[in-house]
This record gives sequence, structure tokens and C-alpha cells, in this order.
Amino acid sequence: GPKVLQIPSHQIIDMGQMVTLNCDPVSNHLYFYWYKQILGQQMEFLVNFYNGKVMEKSKLFKDQFSVERPDGSYFTLKIQPTALEDSAVYFCASSLVGGRSYEQYFGPGTRLTVL
Amino acid sequence: QQQVRQSPQSLTVWEGETAILNCSYEDSTFDYFPWYWQFPRESPALLIAIRPVSNKKEDGRFTIFFNKREKKLSLHITDSQPGDSATYFCAASEDYGSSGNKLIFGIGTLLSVKP
Repeated sequence: GPKVLQIPSHQIIDMGQMVTLNCDPVSNHLYFYWYKQILGQQMEFLVNFYNGKVMEKSKLFKDQFSVERPDGSYFTLKIQPTALEDSAVYFCASSLVGGRSYEQYFGPGTRLTVL
Repeated sequence: QQQVRQSPQSLTVWEGETAILNCSYEDSTFDYFPWYWQFPRESPALLIAIRPVSNKKEDGRFTIFFNKREKKLSLHITDSQPGDSATYFCAASEDYGSSGNKLIFGIGTLLSVKP
């Protein structure tokens, strides 16, 4: 079936550095999402993105976070500067359209470790 | 605030038995409930989903039973197979129209099916 790819699979950085997580969504999908999963907890919604704009963000989407998809390339999540509490697995997802009816396809996640 | 709860956190059944995974939610405005499964080192993938207009949804060996009054649902896996061993996530969402449907996830149930 359709696949969402995420690069890298693991990233280790020092606190205060910048990190960019990359997502290659399903090619004809229009909505993009990031979710965060801290070890032992549930996956939590961060943000969704459509037509070049953030549509909705949660309180977990701090000011240090930003998303973009320049020229239809990777959908990225940038964290600048990183903090220890940003250590988590970040899942990217995409869907063909918004609304409740359409399946979100998930990538395998990027495990971010902030030291 | 845990809006979607799952139990048990882990479950072991023998091959051929029926596995029952439970989920409950708090928000009455939730109107779409997908179950995702995730195998080790793979992406979460949609398994089966239900809307409150139905109280049952069946797909092969997988059946969702839904109780709107009690805000509970359960996933029944009949004739469990070792290949069903995975983490199962219950999720919920509201209809946000054109803004994309954020999913609220439970913590997951780790199912192990022993041959």
C-alpha cells in the first residue's frame, strides 16, 4: 500500500541544537500531520498542515517548533532550539483529504534523543 | 488528560482463542473511531474503523463492538494467529470539516498470540 517515509530513523543531538525531521508523504496526499510519542505514553497530535498552512496545532507545538513543505518536497518539522523534553518518537502522517472519513497513513517514526 | 483509554496494556492469548481489546473515551463529540495496529519497527497502519451510527463493524476475524451510551468500544479478534501479535491503538476524532481530522490515541495494547 501507500507508504510514508521518514528520514532519519534515529537522531541524537545536544540540547540547544537545531534539528529537522523529514517526512516524504504519500504522493497525492494533501493533508500532513506530526504526532509525538514519549516512551510509554500515547501518540499525541502536534500539528496538521494543508495548502502551505498550519491548520491546527496542539499545546505541545511550542514556539520552537515549525513546519513547512517547500515546493512539494519533504514535509519537515524543525525544532530550534531543542530541549531535553523533546526526546520522543515523532510520527509523520498524511491523508488524501481532511475530514473524518479518510485514512491517515503513518511513517515508521523518527526517534529523537536530546542529550 | 487521557481522553482515550485502553485496557489491558498487554494481553497474551493462545492461537485460536479470541482476543478482546477494550477502549473507552470521554468526549461525546468524537464520531470516528479507527483502530491501528503496529508491528515492531513498522508504521502504525489502519486495521478497522467505526462510526457511532453503527454498533458493530466486522472485517474478517476483526470485529468492533460499539456502545455509544457507555462510551466504550472493543476490538474482538477471533481465531487469533501468531501473526496478529502487535500493538493495537484505539483512536478517536471529531469532524473538523476541512481542517483535517486530528486523531486522539490511546496508549495501546500489546497483544501476543502464542502458538
